[in-house]
Amino acid sequence: NAGVTQTPKFQVLKTGQSMTLQCAQDMNHNSMYWYRQDPGMGLRLIYYSASEGTTDKGEVPNGYNVSRLNKREFSLRLESAAPSQTSVYFCASSEISPSSYEQYFGPGTRLTVT
Amino acid sequence: QKEVEQNSGPLSVPEGAIASLNCTYSDRGSQSFFWYRQYSGKSPELIMSIYSNGDKEDGRFTAQLNKASQYVSLLIRDSQPSDSATYLCAVTMSSGTYKYIFGTGTRLKVLA
Repeated sequence: NAGVTQTPKFQVLKTGQSMTLQCAQDMNHNSMYWYRQDPGMGLRLIYYSASEGTTDKGEVPNGYNVSRLNKREFSLRLESAAPSQTSVYFCASSEISPSSYEQYFGPGTRLTVT
Repeated sequence: QKEVEQNSGPLSVPEGAIASLNCTYSDRGSQSFFWYRQYSGKSPELIMSIYSNGDKEDGRFTAQLNKASQYVSLLIRDSQPSDSATYLCAVTMSSGTYKYIFGTGTRLKVLA
């Protein structure tokens, strides 16, 4: 099992450009998440999808859109990148059950917006 | 605003000692608690989960939960230089177990 995979690993954008970060999981998890991690700020939730067909905003959704393409895939889109979106982006998935809420992370995407 | 608080460190311990990492949380209804280890430049890796009051042991790691005090801790016995990393505490929010709140992490340095 690959677990949670993310593409690309690194990306440099110019201000105003758009891009989509891809995430896929092979653990048959229902829930998927997008976080950003900035120095001193910890992990902050951008969007999450509790199950296929649903998406909800997290703590810092402005400037982002998401698509839950199917149970395996959850993408994050930056429509018009800004320098404030320079960050490391992590995708995660979890199986919410009465006995477990454990969340597993992908390797991350390092994004720089100039 | 629901919060999870951790001392940023660095916490320095000698090799072979016990490292004690602490976390407090503000949402009294939180039900699930997690410890992640994150090496520099890598993604968070789940090392412990705990759901009920008391201690939970897994190898050299022990998680301790006290819901009345809203406190969760992680003990690492026989600390090794390879344990040097940032440890993140995470809790699920009572308003929806699909959402997790992370602390900013404690940096641990194990000195050889």
